[in-house]
Parts: sequence; structure tokens; C-alpha cells
Amino acid sequence: GQNIDQPTEMTATEGAIVQINCTYQTSGFNGLFWYQQHAGEAPTFLSYNVLDGLEEKGRFSSFLSRSKGYSYLLLKELQMKDSASYLCAVKDSNYQLIWGAGTKLIIKP
Amino acid sequence: NAGVTQTPKFQVLKTGQSMTLQCAQDMNHNSMYWYRQDPGMGLRLIYYSASEGTTDKGEVPDGYNVSRLKKQNFLLGLESAAPSQTSVYFCASSPKPSGANVLTFGAGSRLTVL
Repeated sequence: GQNIDQPTEMTATEGAIVQINCTYQTSGFNGLFWYQQHAGEAPTFLSYNVLDGLEEKGRFSSFLSRSKGYSYLLLKELQMKDSASYLCAVKDSNYQLIWGAGTKLIIKP
Repeated sequence: NAGVTQTPKFQVLKTGQSMTLQCAQDMNHNSMYWYRQDPGMGLRLIYYSASEGTTDKGEVPDGYNVSRLKKQNFLLGLESAAPSQTSVYFCASSPKPSGANVLTFGAGSRLTVL
């Protein structure tokens, strides 16, 4: 079966750095996405990786290792507004997105 | 820019009732999707439409039906609601299914079935 694993919840301090991991087992791979979802709101796109390596976008970076079935989202200089759930999703061989359950990130002052 | 608009935002149904969730997008996207989101689980695809007039089943289609008569609209119907269909429903659209095409989501429709 297809599976996406991410930690259920993480806590970090304002101004710090946090890394949210995602491991996947899917039938085929056509890219990995990270979305942010604030409580009660819709998911919004953060990043996309299809090749191995690091993609940087401001305070957020996303890393992919296809051979290890592994990705992480790195958030720097954490702000209170970063408190949200972070969803990892992999596009499989049929171009369908398989979603992880999400990681709830709690930022403390 | 409205993006993706879902109606209604909230709905309470009794078991056995029927209803339709409406979704409209103004981005001229070809592909549209209906997901449900339940606590502790990832988004699960109910149905999708790669283009106007075509629909396909996703992971959890039972108890639902869809229609895509116009490119901008994607309707999700519940024929006979069951408590197991209590969930938050998200409609999304993308330019096309493949590649790095990003999904744009609607604000969600929270459905409770009593």
C-alpha cells in the first residue's frame, strides 16, 4: 500500500528553527509537495520537489531524497503565524496525490 | 480574485437526507477535485475531473456522486447521507493533473450528519 508518515505534533520556540520530516512509500514518484494549513482554513501551497536536493524559498526550505523516500521542511526564524499544520503529499505514478495526516506545529513565545 | 468558492460553508443533515456541495473556480483550470479531511487522517480524494465533462473515482467514492457540466463548476452530491460522511470537504482545482501543478483549495464545507 501507499503510505506517507509525518510526526503528529511538534513544538518550537519563536525565532528558532524547526525541521518537519516526511517519509513515503508510494507506487511511483512524480514529485513531493508541502502545504500549510492554518486551523479551520484551506491548505495553501508551500513547496515542490521532484529532484534530489534542497529548494529554498525565503524562511522555508524543502529537501528531497528519492532513494531514501524522505523529505523535510525546514522553517527558520519561526514566527507565531507559523503555527499551523504542515501537510506532506506525494504524486504517484498515476499523478494522484497521496497525503500524509499532517504535522501540527505549535510555536511558543 | 475569488479563486475557488465552495458553498455552503456549514451544513447539518439528518441520516438519509441528500444534498449537493457546490464548487466554482474562476482560474480557467482544467482539473478539479473533491477531498474529505477527517481528524488524524490525510486528505482523501473522493472524485476528480481532469477536464470538463469527465469524472473519475478517487480513493473513497462510495456514497457520493459528482458532475462537471461546466469547466468552472464541480458539484458533489450525497444521495443518502450517513453519519460516516460527517467531515470537512474541500474542493480544489489545478491547471492540469500532471507535473508540478499546484492545487488551489476552496475554504471548505463542514458537514455534520446526525
